[in-house]
Amino acid sequence: DQQVKQNSPSLSVQEGRISILNCDYTNSMFDYFLWYKKYPAEGPTFLISISSIKDKNEDGRFTVFLNKSAKHLSLHIVPSQPGDSAVYFCAAIIQGAQKLVFGQGTRLTINP
Amino acid sequence: NAGVTQTPKFQVLKTGQSMTLQCAQDMNHEYMSWYRQDPGMGLRLIHYSVGAGITDQGEVPNGYNVSRSTTEDFPLRLLSAAPSQTSVYFCASSYSAGGKYIQYFGAGTRLSVL
Repeated sequence: DQQVKQNSPSLSVQEGRISILNCDYTNSMFDYFLWYKKYPAEGPTFLISISSIKDKNEDGRFTVFLNKSAKHLSLHIVPSQPGDSAVYFCAAIIQGAQKLVFGQGTRLTINP
Repeated sequence: NAGVTQTPKFQVLKTGQSMTLQCAQDMNHEYMSWYRQDPGMGLRLIHYSVGAGITDQGEVPNGYNVSRSTTEDFPLRLLSAAPSQTSVYFCASSYSAGGKYIQYFGAGTRLSVL
């Protein structure tokens, strides 16, 4: 029972273009969502988050959109840079429960 | 500025051996967690703790034990290693404040069980 799903295992984008990573969830009780970035041989690092009371959160080149009715969130990276090449995980939590649920990850490759 | 420190970085075990993966954080966070990462599976929660003396099971707890005697340390024990426990293990510490949830990860321990 995969409660958080990232259906694209990989994504390739040209440098300077927009990268869009998608994530779907099934548990309507989730009320906080996060995106993490992971380089090889390192732990995941926090990128951006969004509360369920919002539908958009922006931080520099990164924007997360939340569509609660569709149980879908997406991460937009604009413009994409070579250093953005990494595995991206979306995660969801019911605040107060302290149990973060992760998607399978999407490997993003930015081509020069 | 250590954050979350995991040791060892690499370990090879034989089936049936036991070992402890160490995790320490210096941020005074109440919450700590252990995850395993397997190809195509994302990160799955093994055990977590909401404070010293309090632990609970996550999604995949079988074969693992934890304890939390101090705020700083959250070791993960494998009592009798099995090949199915070959994985990369991540420890994390976290806190909630002002409607936000922040979690920091260690660099990971790569474990192979032969």
